[in-house]
Amino acid sequence: DAGVTQSPTHLIKTRGQHVTLRCSPISGHKSVSWYQQVLGQGPQFIFQYYEKEERGRGNFPDRFSARQFPNYSSELNVNALLLGDSALYLCASSQNPGNTEAFFGQGTRLTVV
Amino acid sequence: GEDVEQSLFLSVREGDSSVINCTYTDSSSTYLYWYKQEPGAGLQLLTYIFSNMDMKQDQRLTVLLNKKDKHLSLRIADTQTGDSAIYFCAGVNQAGTALIFGKGTTLSVSS
Repeated sequence: DAGVTQSPTHLIKTRGQHVTLRCSPISGHKSVSWYQQVLGQGPQFIFQYYEKEERGRGNFPDRFSARQFPNYSSELNVNALLLGDSALYLCASSQNPGNTEAFFGQGTRLTVV
Repeated sequence: GEDVEQSLFLSVREGDSSVINCTYTDSSSTYLYWYKQEPGAGLQLLTYIFSNMDMKQDQRLTVLLNKKDKHLSLRIADTQTGDSAIYFCAGVNQAGTALIFGKGTTLSVSS
C-alpha cells in the first residue's frame, strides 16, 4: 500500500507569492493534518481535517488555509509568503481524528527567498 | 496546553543501549508517541504507549511511562549506526486534534 504522499518535494518561492502544497493520505484514512517544521525544531500543528471538515487549527496566521476533498486528499495554501515560512511542511494521515496512529509523509521543503 | 521537553543530544557506541528521555506537562494525553526522523525525511512512527500502561516492549524498543513524574523514556537495545537520527516524543492536545512534539533528541551512534 502507498503511504502518505506529498507534492512537490521541494519548492522555492519569492516573498509575497502564494503556494499550494498537496497531500494524499493512506487509503482508508479519513483524517489529514498539516505540520510546519522549522530547522532544529519539532513539528508545529497547523490544521486537522476529518471528513472534509476542519477539526483543529494551530496558532498560525490567516495567511494559512487548507481544505480536504471528497477523496480525502488535502491542500495547504499559504498566501503572502514571508521568509519565516521557510520550513518542511509535513502531512499526516490517520483513520480517525484522535491521532491514535498518525503516519507522516516525506514532507515538502519550502524555501522563501 | 501540552508542553513536551527532551534532552537535545545523545551519543552512544554501537552495541550499547540508548535511553532517550522526555517530560510532558499535560497528563490528559491518552497516548504518548515516539517518532524517528532521518536527515531530509519525514517522521516515522516507532511506537506508542497507552497512558494506563507502565511499559511497552517492541523488539529492540522499550517504552517506559511514569505518570506520576510525567516522564517518558525510549530505550533502544543493541543500538546500530542505522539508529542515528532525531527522535521526537509527542503527546496529544486536550482537544485530541494535534500532536504536540518536543524539540527532538539527536542520537549519534559511533562504530
